[in-house]
Amino acid sequence: DTEVTQTPKHLVMGMTNKKSLKCEQHMGHRAMYWYKQKAKKPPELMFVYSYEKLSINESVPSRFSPECPNSSLLNLHLHALQPEDSALYLCASSPTTSGGASFYNEQFFGPGTRLTVL
Amino acid sequence: AQSVSQHNHHVILSEAASLELGCNYSYGGTVNLFWYVQYPGQHLQLLLKYFSGDPLVKGIKGFEAEFIKSKFSFNLRKPSVQWSDTAEYFCAVNAKYGGSQGNLIFGKGTKLSVKP
Repeated sequence: DTEVTQTPKHLVMGMTNKKSLKCEQHMGHRAMYWYKQKAKKPPELMFVYSYEKLSINESVPSRFSPECPNSSLLNLHLHALQPEDSALYLCASSPTTSGGASFYNEQFFGPGTRLTVL
Repeated sequence: AQSVSQHNHHVILSEAASLELGCNYSYGGTVNLFWYVQYPGQHLQLLLKYFSGDPLVKGIKGFEAEFIKSKFSFNLRKPSVQWSDTAEYFCAVNAKYGGSQGNLIFGKGTKLSVKP
């Protein structure tokens, strides 16, 4: 299995809803990432997990809450979002080198979840 | 702070034309360099990467890129484009800090439209 999967593909939610995005990979990668991509813009890093621990939070508002329950899964919990949070949310993972650090390797991206906040 | 510049916002070519997309970065240390492609409605895919060694790297679908350290550049090339190359192309840089983890910094992207 050489892909990153994300569910759901599309999500529409109100500002008072609580929802979760799910990402899964079975390539044995120990670094996983959440990105936000607005239309016609490059991906912007939100969070990085390394060996199931949060290692980077790019000053993301607390209404986004990441979780890494195991080495294959990455969740993004959403609560009280704003319409400007509407975007494509991408998950990625990267392989571990012999030295252990995997941040410098190429990242494999999932297809994304298209989120619309009403 | 690191930055990645892609000077061409939108490039329009006819099929069989040659392609060169510019990418410059602003970090003076060791870098890993990538080109990603995003076809319409599809996810980001890695075209090619440079870590070390031969500065001319070949990727998938006939693409290649040349790392020129003195110019801080990593331009993407293809001798003859096809209509199916229509996509958004992103250059990305991952800089190696001493003891720190590198974040993947993306350029703003270049939209390539190939006319049949």
